[in-house]
Amino acid sequence: DVKVTQSSRYLVKRTGEKVFLECVQDMDHENMFWYRQDPGLGLRLIYFSYDVKMKEKGDIPEGYSVSREKKERFSLILESASTNQTSMYLCASSTSQGVEGEQYFGPGTRLTVT
Amino acid sequence: SQKIEQNSEALNIQEGKTATLTCNYTNYSPAYLQWYRQDPGRGPVFLLLIRENEKEKRKERLKVTFDTTLKQSLFHITASQPADSATYLCALDLFSGGYNKLIFGAGTRLAVHP
Repeated sequence: DVKVTQSSRYLVKRTGEKVFLECVQDMDHENMFWYRQDPGLGLRLIYFSYDVKMKEKGDIPEGYSVSREKKERFSLILESASTNQTSMYLCASSTSQGVEGEQYFGPGTRLTVT
Repeated sequence: SQKIEQNSEALNIQEGKTATLTCNYTNYSPAYLQWYRQDPGRGPVFLLLIRENEKEKRKERLKVTFDTTLKQSLFHITASQPADSATYLCALDLFSGGYNKLIFGAGTRLAVHP
């Protein structure tokens, strides 16, 4: 079974703090993704990576950065957290083998910025 | 503008009936369309994928149709059970340049009553 784990289920941070969200997958997937999910808006793609040390901006990258130093690990960084970054953050991975890109998601991190 | 829409109102049905969920999109040309299930506080779980040249796909009690002319997908759960209660997300799979990028709808919450 594909397993995607995220470092925290719940996180509370203060405005201006630097926040690290970690994601690890154990299926040797090439592709990894970070989404945020807000009520009524669905999942929105923040950043993705198709290889180690590679990153691509998604639809809402402002205020975020990412790091992928190892194939199994993809980190999301909030350089200076703001209250509008309070959200559910979901990490996902998928394989590049074949063209059908079903994604496997982690359990999510609910981040609250106060 | 580009949009993907799912019925925002919850769908309430009686156990044993067929649930039908709708996904409509505009100004996209997806290569595939995917459906996911999401339980409260958890990440989405992949259910089914249908290609643009397929009209219908089945998996156990699930059936998905894909009409690229109407720009619509229908997701059916036959003989529904209370355990099917969850939020169901559709996602357009925009495969291009060798990469898959998913655009998610906001989801429809299904409640199956005994």
